[in-house]
Parts: sequence; C-alpha cells; structure tokens
Amino acid sequence: QVQLQESGPGLVKPSETLSLTCNVSGASISSYYWSWIRQPPGKGLEWIGYVHYNGITNYNPSLKSRVTISVDTSKNQFSLKLNSVTAADTAVYYCARHRGAVAGTLFDYWGQGTLVTVSS
Amino acid sequence: DIQMTQSPSSLSASVGDRVTITCQASQDITIYLNWYQQKPGKAPKLLIYDVSNLEAGVPSRFSGSGSGTDFTFTISSLQPEDIATYYCQQYDNLPFTFGQGTKLEIK
Repeated sequence: QVQLQESGPGLVKPSETLSLTCNVSGASISSYYWSWIRQPPGKGLEWIGYVHYNGITNYNPSLKSRVTISVDTSKNQFSLKLNSVTAADTAVYYCARHRGAVAGTLFDYWGQGTLVTVSS
Repeated sequence: DIQMTQSPSSLSASVGDRVTITCQASQDITIYLNWYQQKPGKAPKLLIYDVSNLEAGVPSRFSGSGSGTDFTFTISSLQPEDIATYYCQQYDNLPFTFGQGTKLEIK
C-alpha cells in the first residue's frame, strides 16, 4: 500500500521560507517521479514541480525563482522549499507520485495534504 | 502554459441523471488528459487517464472521451456519493495544468 504523508510547519511568516517534507512508504522513491501540487483555499490545483531520485527537477515557471524540490533516497522522502512567501502562498500543499517511470503522466497517489498559512 | 477551461463551473443534478462536463485545452494535447475527483477536505483521486481509461476500482458509470483540444467527462447515472469537484489535467506540456474545476451538487 503506497502512502504519502506531508509534514512541516502550518504557519509561516511573510518573506520567510516554507519547508515541507513528503514521507513515502510502500514504494521506493528511486523508482518514480514525485511532485508537489498546491491548492489555495476554495480554489483550483496548481502544479509546483517534480523531482526524480537522480536529481532531475522541473518547476512551474510561475514559481521557479522561489522553489527548490529535493529528494533524500536514504529516508525515502522528498522535500519542498518555497522562499520569500506571501499571503498568496497560503494553500493546502499535496505531494503526489507520478505513475510509471516517466515525468509526463498522471498522479496516482497523493498525500492527504497539509495547510500552510502565511501570516505574521 | 496550456490553459484548461472546464464548463460548467458548477452543476446541480438529480440522482440518476446523466452528467457531462467539458474540458477545452488552449492547444492540441492529443490524448494526454486525465480526470480527478476531489471531495471536500480530501486529496484528488484519479478517475480516468489518457482521456478514456478507467482507473482500477472506479465505477463504470464514469467515462471520458475526446481528443486534441476538446474533452468530455460523463457520469451516466449520478449517485449521491459522486458529489465532489472534478478536475481535468493535461500532461502534454510542462507545466502540468489543471482545469479550474466543476463543482457537482445534488438537486
């Protein structure tokens, strides 16, 4: 049973860095691509970026200057860092797995999501 | 970026009704189109991939069709548990993008 679990602070101050980790169980992080996706309250889904265990990353151009996604194969987890946050970054953040060993595909397993609020 | 436009944004229907949602891409995405269901407070769940392939375990009342820029998602007979928001998603080009969602309610 593949499970993804996000963790990290639920409150971040403006201009600071949002940091989240996704712990993966039931699947090897080395076999897939992994993404972060977010959803502002009451709004739609926005893909943030993906990482592969070999270090390949790709980010949404709308966030590229502020985002870093990395992977830790020893812990079977991957992480998101988003710097210089503003209130517009308040959202539920999901981690998700890409099906198959390819980047372009569907998201077949998702974490439950974690709400991050940006506020002083 | 490829823009995905869903219609309608919201829909009210009765149990047993046939429900149709459309998704239009701003450019040709061939068959690289998936559909997700999201219930309140939950993560999205994959229903259909590559336009018309039903994910394992998903009831057969859900279906999809289309190609190129115009796609359709159908529930053949609406059930109370289908109340959710539905999203299309393209993966033809990066960045991956989603439609704005269609909120389905029971009349």
